Amino acid sequence: ILNVEQSPQSLHVQEGDSTNFTCSFPSSNFYALHWYRWETAKSPEALFVMTLNGDEKKKGRISATLNTKEGYSYLYIKGSQPEDSATYLCAHRTGNQFYFGTGTSLTVIP
Amino acid sequence: NAGVTQTPKFQVLKTGQSMTLQCAQDMNHNSMYWYRQDPGMGLRLIYYSASEGTTDKGEVPNGYNVSRLNKREFSLRLESAAPSQTSVYFCASLKMPGQGTMSSGELFFGEGSRLTVL
Repeated sequence: ILNVEQSPQSLHVQEGDSTNFTCSFPSSNFYALHWYRWETAKSPEALFVMTLNGDEKKKGRISATLNTKEGYSYLYIKGSQPEDSATYLCAHRTGNQFYFGTGTSLTVIP
Repeated sequence: NAGVTQTPKFQVLKTGQSMTLQCAQDMNHNSMYWYRQDPGMGLRLIYYSASEGTTDKGEVPNGYNVSRLNKREFSLRLESAAPSQTSVYFCASLKMPGQGTMSSGELFFGEGSRLTVL
């Protein structure tokens, strides 16, 4: 069982603020790091999948970076909007198994 | 395109009763997964199936059995339900790279099945 940790557990920001959160994972047996966005009453949806050390991915106002040597990934949201309110999950893939963190719950206050 | 479909969405059981959660995907994915989600615990893997005819235990398999009936369907069975199995269960399938998707594949989730064991 791989220990994937996310911080902070929850976050409240004002509309327009930029924010970031962290996912840490064991650096051994690394295959891929996934980020998922999970809105209340819906299913998690993939945001990014990163495989290489130094990877940076971007989708609109959201971006992510990956450091496989030290075992962490950051997710950044620039200019947060109320529709960004969701839980953001990271998952460490090793082989056929995915190990999820407990998520960061983001609330963007209008 | 329905994606990943789970049934039932809600179920209440008494301790000792049995039931099966059904999951089907219409995306021709090889790998399928069952997770449970509990407050403060994140998604924990119960069982997975890398391909039709194979199944493997995940982190928390005790009290569960699975069947990969065919490529589309992956069911989760509770033979004798216990209150500790009260949870929200998610089925997922894995879309592999090279099919217009992210490298290393991405998981597609069902909408979840909320199970309460009294």
